[in-house]
Amino acid sequence: GAVVSQHPSRVICKSGTSVKIECRSLDFQATTMFWYRQFPKQSLMLMATSNEGSKATYEQGVEKDKFLINHASLTLSTLTVTSAHPEDSSFYICSADRDRGEQYFGPGTRLTVT
Amino acid sequence: GQNIDQPTEMTATEGAIVQINCTYQTSGFNGLFWYQQHAGEAPTFLSYNVLDGLEEKGRFSSFLSRSKGYSYLLLKELQMKDSASYLCAVVDSNYQLIWGAGTKLIIKP
Repeated sequence: GAVVSQHPSRVICKSGTSVKIECRSLDFQATTMFWYRQFPKQSLMLMATSNEGSKATYEQGVEKDKFLINHASLTLSTLTVTSAHPEDSSFYICSADRDRGEQYFGPGTRLTVT
Repeated sequence: GQNIDQPTEMTATEGAIVQINCTYQTSGFNGLFWYQQHAGEAPTFLSYNVLDGLEEKGRFSSFLSRSKGYSYLLLKELQMKDSASYLCAVVDSNYQLIWGAGTKLIIKP
């Protein structure tokens, strides 16, 4: 099956710093990747849709200047949380869209901002 | 290792009932999610179970047995729009989401 990795799996950072999360499709090319965040015991919340070679599409209420997304290649998308604050602490999950519209999810990155 | 098993594909008839099973072996357990995902779209939340038993929500119900490492999603009065993939995901002891590969449900008239 298709494999999507995320790195790091866990990160702790200080308030005001920036954190970059990578999402890679390991055995297929993904023109579209999705970034989600999830608070404990809650559903996934779609943050943005990342398209290779173009600007990401952000969901309403998601600050694009705070959550920078770069999809520079068909196998890599990055999410950078800039000037992180404790309220940004969450579980961030990416998924990669294979052709035919099937999505494969990464294992997630747990961000803790102190 | 951690593992979530779901059938790859199921077929059912409009108006019928279908049960999608999910078995899991994970390091710890902090809840189980079911998601629905239509092709080309983001998944949508269906249910969350953390205690044993049946949770009913309209046409959809989800059951959990922690001792058996087992859950199922029950869909009643199937409609054509229910054709989608159904994802089972378990929250492990580190609050990491362990995802199943999904079950593609095909509804036939």
